[in-house]
Amino acid sequence: GDSVTQMEGPVTLSEEAFLTINCTYTATGYPSLFWYVQYPGEGLQLLLKATKADDKGSNKGFEATYRKETTSFHLEKGSVQVSDSAVYFCALTSGSSNTGKLIFGQGTTLQVKP
Amino acid sequence: EAGVTQFPSHSVIEKGQTVTLRCDPISGHDNLYWYRRVMGKEIKFLLHFVKESKQDESGMPNNRFLAERTGGTYSTLKVQPAELEDSGVYFCASSRYLTSGGLYEQYFGPGTRLTVT
Repeated sequence: GDSVTQMEGPVTLSEEAFLTINCTYTATGYPSLFWYVQYPGEGLQLLLKATKADDKGSNKGFEATYRKETTSFHLEKGSVQVSDSAVYFCALTSGSSNTGKLIFGQGTTLQVKP
Repeated sequence: EAGVTQFPSHSVIEKGQTVTLRCDPISGHDNLYWYRRVMGKEIKFLLHFVKESKQDESGMPNNRFLAERTGGTYSTLKVQPAELEDSGVYFCASSRYLTSGGLYEQYFGPGTRLTVT
């Protein structure tokens, strides 16, 4: 079945460091790909998305490119801030799904220190 | 516009007891989803409602779990009797409709943390 694999955390960075969180997927057809973020005490929020190969999703300085040849959707940010500390989830919906259910990776905790 | 709300935020119960979780979706959202995250693992899909009908309940772990959505508005998820392995965070999400290209945008609630002792 479809699945998502993320790099294990926690990831600890200093402020202004470069961030990469790796995400790879296995899916039949043409899935849509997402990054969700959960800040402490809050629900999941959609951070960015991409619906087809070579699409780049971007938001709040974060970017991820849908790479079909490597089945990857790595999350990057050039300069992290303390406020970016959160749990990040990579997810997909199957291209053949008629329900829209999300399949998530295990989440990566990011801690940014001043 | 109010977001997705869940109640309670935290519940601690003993093994064998019953717990009911509630989710109020965003007004006008026909699609409602339940997910669960156990012990820091991945978030797993439980089930999907379209209005009051169950569209997909393939993720429900066993018959101790019962989900309902009265009149297509709020939803409840009952666990009876609760077991230790049911501990985790239960998330609810809602979406308005299927957008073009099959892309759903789901809005999540803050979750209910369930602890079974």
